[in-house]
Amino acid sequence: SQQGEEDPQALSIQEGENATMNCSYKTSINNLQWYRQNSGRGLVHLILIRSNEREKHSGRLRVTLDTSKKSSSLLITASRAADTASYFCATGETGRRALTFGSGTRLQVQP
Amino acid sequence: DTGVSQNPRHKITKRGQNVTFRCDPISEHNRLYWYRQTLGQGPEFLTYFQNEAQLEKSRLLSDRFSAERPKGSFSTLEIQRTEQGDSAMYLCASSEDRGPNNEQFFGPGTRLTVL
Repeated sequence: SQQGEEDPQALSIQEGENATMNCSYKTSINNLQWYRQNSGRGLVHLILIRSNEREKHSGRLRVTLDTSKKSSSLLITASRAADTASYFCATGETGRRALTFGSGTRLQVQP
Repeated sequence: DTGVSQNPRHKITKRGQNVTFRCDPISEHNRLYWYRQTLGQGPEFLTYFQNEAQLEKSRLLSDRFSAERPKGSFSTLEIQRTEQGDSAMYLCASSEDRGPNNEQFFGPGTRLTVL
């Protein structure tokens, strides 16, 4: 079953703009991970944030985590056409090794 | 290439046939996972191995599905008597064994089409 809900389901922006995607979840977690998936391809790991962390950066990516609200956000700054993909959040729930994925946000970056 | 590999990349089969997929994880990773992804959805967990031991199975994994990891290296996922509803992308992932916070790295997937 899908735990997370990503918001928005689809996002279209111009190259150079920032893109923000949100993820909400329901259970207690050890970590939350963000992945990118190009059409018909496998998932590329972007970033992992632990439950005791509030913010993490990696290049043009910034991830926040609010465990009190059970939510996370992924910000992509200065977007490029190559960022066009689906983005998924996945939670590592307490007591489990499997990841539970949301339904994803489809990002379209117009050149 | 030291990433996760999966074979075949595509499989078309007729309903009722058996199919087997193979996953080769990153060599130093003890943990191996199988997920299934249907169009427009996120991946759904199927099963997980720590070395050769299958430690967790989803209720999605009906008795037509079986997974093995005989020597703790590569893994196979077999689907018997395939149904049209089995059509999906089957993804394999692997991770290190460092407690609960491990990045899972995914392979390119095997796309199954059941006619």
